[in-house]
Amino acid sequence: GQQLNQSPQSMFIQEGEDVSMNCTSSSIFNTWLWYKQDPGEGPVLLIALYKAGELTSNGRLTAQFGITRKDSFLNISASIPSDVGIYFCAGPAYSGAGSYQLTFGKGTKLSVIP
Amino acid sequence: GAGVSQSPRYKVAKRGQDVALRCDPISGHVSLFWYQQALGQGPEFLTYFQNEAQLDKSGLPSDRFFAERPEGSVSTLKIQRTQQEDSAVYLCASSPGGTGGYGYTFGSGTRLTVV
Repeated sequence: GQQLNQSPQSMFIQEGEDVSMNCTSSSIFNTWLWYKQDPGEGPVLLIALYKAGELTSNGRLTAQFGITRKDSFLNISASIPSDVGIYFCAGPAYSGAGSYQLTFGKGTKLSVIP
Repeated sequence: GAGVSQSPRYKVAKRGQDVALRCDPISGHVSLFWYQQALGQGPEFLTYFQNEAQLDKSGLPSDRFFAERPEGSVSTLKIQRTQQEDSAVYLCASSPGGTGGYGYTFGSGTRLTVV
């Protein structure tokens, strides 16, 4: 099936620094979604991208849909302690049984040092 | 309710025991999804319901896994004869309609530990 590769796997940054993470795939995706998961909670949608080349912002978060449709980037500016968590990229992939289902990367774990 | 509710939050099962995990979706949401999230991994699709119809169960790892949504609202994921590799967080999500991530709201999950 279609796989999403996220990097880096984890990162430690100082509060106030900017963060950049990315997601790549060997297959084309028509939608890219970025989620954040806090410990003990389910993933929460941060940004959705629907068009190749699209650049979308949500507060301090900015994400881009790669022009090849095989990658996406998420940037966080001026990180704060509550940015701690695991960030997942995701996109719809054919399940092989008649429907497109959300497929996730393995996540980037972000730790912020005050 | 305002969100997707899952119960129990934590479940410890002895190997070989049967377990049942419950999901209460957002009222009126047509689509319901179950995902399995192993430690350090992203969620992986298990099965999908549209109302009471199970339209896709291609992600269920074995015939020990069974899901139902008999009245098109509450859903139960049942795992028979649990094994250690079943230990994971089981996430439920619902959406107003459609698949592929559009309008999904996830619950907080049930953490299953098989000992």
